[in-house]
Amino acid sequence: DTEVTQTPKHLVMGMTNKKSLKCEQHMGHRAMYWYKQKAKKPPELMFVYSYEKLSINESVPSRFSPECPNSSLLNLHLHALQPEDSALYLCASSQEPSQMTGGGETQYFGPGTRLLVL
Amino acid sequence: GQQVMQIPQYQHVQEGEDFTTYCNSSTTLSNIQWYKQRPGGHPVFLIQLVKSGEVKKQKRLTFQFGEAKKNSSLHITATQTTDVGTYFCAARPNNFNKFYFGSGTKLNVKP
Repeated sequence: DTEVTQTPKHLVMGMTNKKSLKCEQHMGHRAMYWYKQKAKKPPELMFVYSYEKLSINESVPSRFSPECPNSSLLNLHLHALQPEDSALYLCASSQEPSQMTGGGETQYFGPGTRLLVL
Repeated sequence: GQQVMQIPQYQHVQEGEDFTTYCNSSTTLSNIQWYKQRPGGHPVFLIQLVKSGEVKKQKRLTFQFGEAKKNSSLHITATQTTDVGTYFCAARPNNFNKFYFGSGTKLNVKP
C-alpha cells in the first residue's frame, strides 16, 4: 500500500466555521507533512511532523492547527479562515524526516482537499 | 532566504519534440527531487539525485545533477501527450532539514 488518503476531497466553509482535514497513510512512514498549494503555484510547506512530534512550523497563522494522533494519521484543524486561505491542501508522508541521510526522503502526496472559504 | 529558480515557466511543444526544464539554486544542495503534477492532480515523485554530476534515466526522461550541486535538469525526449503536466524540482540545501519547491514548469504537448 503506497497510498496517502485525504478527506474530504472538497470543502466549502464560512469564515466562522470550524472544520478539520484528515490524512492517513499505512506505509509505516515516520514523517508527515501539510502543504498549501494555490493555483499555478508550487506547494508551500506548512507543517512537518517527525515521529509524531511537530518539527517544523513555517510561521503558519494560528487559525491552522495541526494534530498527529498517531503515526498513521495527520489532521489539520481549521478555524476562522479567510477567503485567501482557499487553496488545495496536500498531505504527504516520507519514510524518514529530511534531516536523516541516506534516502528515505521521497514524499508521497495525497490527492489533496480543495478548500473554498466564503 | 533560500531560493530555487526553475525555468521556463511554460513550454508548449509539438508531440515528438524534446523538452527540458532547469532548476537552479543559489546555495549548494544536499539532494534534489523531481515531481510531476498532472492537471487537477497531486505531485508524484519521479526521481531523487544525490551525487555530484549524477545522471539518471527513466525511459524517455533524463535527470542530471550539476557538478557543483547547485543546478539540475529534466529532459524529455520525443514528448507524448501523456507528458502534459507541471514539473517541479524540490531542492534540499546542505544543513537544511526540508525541501524547497521550484516554481514549476508547465508543459503542454500538442498532438
